[in-house]
Parts: sequence; C-alpha cells; structure tokens
Amino acid sequence: DSGVTQTPKHLITATGQRVTLRCSPRSGDLSVYWYQQSLDQGLQFLIQYYNGEERAKGNILERFSAQQFPDLHSELNLSSLELGDSALYFCASSVGTSSGFYNEQFFGPGTRLTVL
Amino acid sequence: AQKVTQAQTEISVVEKEDVTLDCVYETRDTTYYLFWYKQPPSGELVFLIRRNSFDEQNEISGRYSWNFQKSTSSFNFTITASQVVDSAVYFCALSVLNAGNNRKLIWGLGTSLAVNP
Repeated sequence: DSGVTQTPKHLITATGQRVTLRCSPRSGDLSVYWYQQSLDQGLQFLIQYYNGEERAKGNILERFSAQQFPDLHSELNLSSLELGDSALYFCASSVGTSSGFYNEQFFGPGTRLTVL
Repeated sequence: AQKVTQAQTEISVVEKEDVTLDCVYETRDTTYYLFWYKQPPSGELVFLIRRNSFDEQNEISGRYSWNFQKSTSSFNFTITASQVVDSAVYFCALSVLNAGNNRKLIWGLGTSLAVNP
C-alpha cells in the first residue's frame, strides 16, 4: 500500500458528461501528479501540483483541469467526455516540488474511467 | 527527440528462467535520470530503481539487476530465476529537462512479463 488513495475505483459515464476524480497523497507529500494510461498511448503525464499550485504541465487536454486544495488532496476534472477518454487515471505523490522527477513517485490504485 | 523505447511488448517465460527487459532511451540532456517501475495485475505502479546519468555502476537487488550503459543508451533490467509473482508490466522512464527548466518524465510503453509455473 503506497499510502495514496484514489476515488472512485471505477466510473462509467456517457459521452459529453463531466466527471471528477479525487486523489489524496501520502501523508507529508506536497506534490501530486496525474497520469492517464491507455492501451494505445501508454502512460501519459498530465499535470503536477505542488502545495496548491500548478507546477508542471504535460499532455493535458483543454477539456481537463485539475486543482489541489489546502488539505493537499487533488481533483482531476474531465469534461465533454469522449470515447477516447476511456482510460486508467493514476495519481502519484512525492515529497518535494521536483522530487518526483529525481526520485520515487508513489502511485495510487487508479480510477478506471469508461465512457460509453 | 527525447523518448524511451521498450521494444519487447510481451515476454513469456517459465518459472526459474532468467529474463532481461530492454530499455533504450534518447535524450539531448547531459543530466538525466532513469527509472524502472512495476505494475502488477492489481494495477498500482511500484518504484523499483532510479539511476542518474553520472552513475553507470550496475546494481543488484536480490534477484533483480540493472545494467546501465551510456554508450548504447540502454538501461536493461534482468530478473534472475523468475517467479510467478514477477508477472507484471514493467515500465522504463526517463526524467529530462522540460521548458522553464522544469523536469518531466517520459515513459516507455511497457513490457508485459508473464512467468508461467
């Protein structure tokens, strides 16, 4: 158990809808990273937050947004969902602002999103 | 281009065989970091090892060993005497400098290892 929690575990929704995925980092970790894992694209880094502020951006679509709250939990919002958004969404955490790019990131169990 | 190539999509071995997972990377950075992560059937990615570009020493941890060779831009992972519990998808990742002097992780597509009894 990495100490990172994600809810919900599974989510099934329809095209055009909006969903929110939630992540709680390990105790003491200030950075949260979001990833999308699909069969054709592999693991794609979406965005990183550090202590409430956006720190790095990857291949995140404009329909997607994230935020990190004062209690350090983070939410990933996906809107105007398309079939191609079906994927496993992971959250990871690390201690420092860049530590996850130098050292270990701790991953949550993921949220499997299915868009019908 | 900066990328990570794991040419082996799937590997199937019989228990107790040795198996090597290949990872080839491309980067223009002189300082970079390489990682291996394991994703068992449960889904959660687990960190295995990190190497920085200045440390070419090979590493051994139990049945796991890693061979980092800058000359061939490779960071290969060997499991000795494989066990069924080693069945998982293994990812190689590369940390490079991004715009704004930040870093980013580039991931390979993973190698799915099946260890059969």
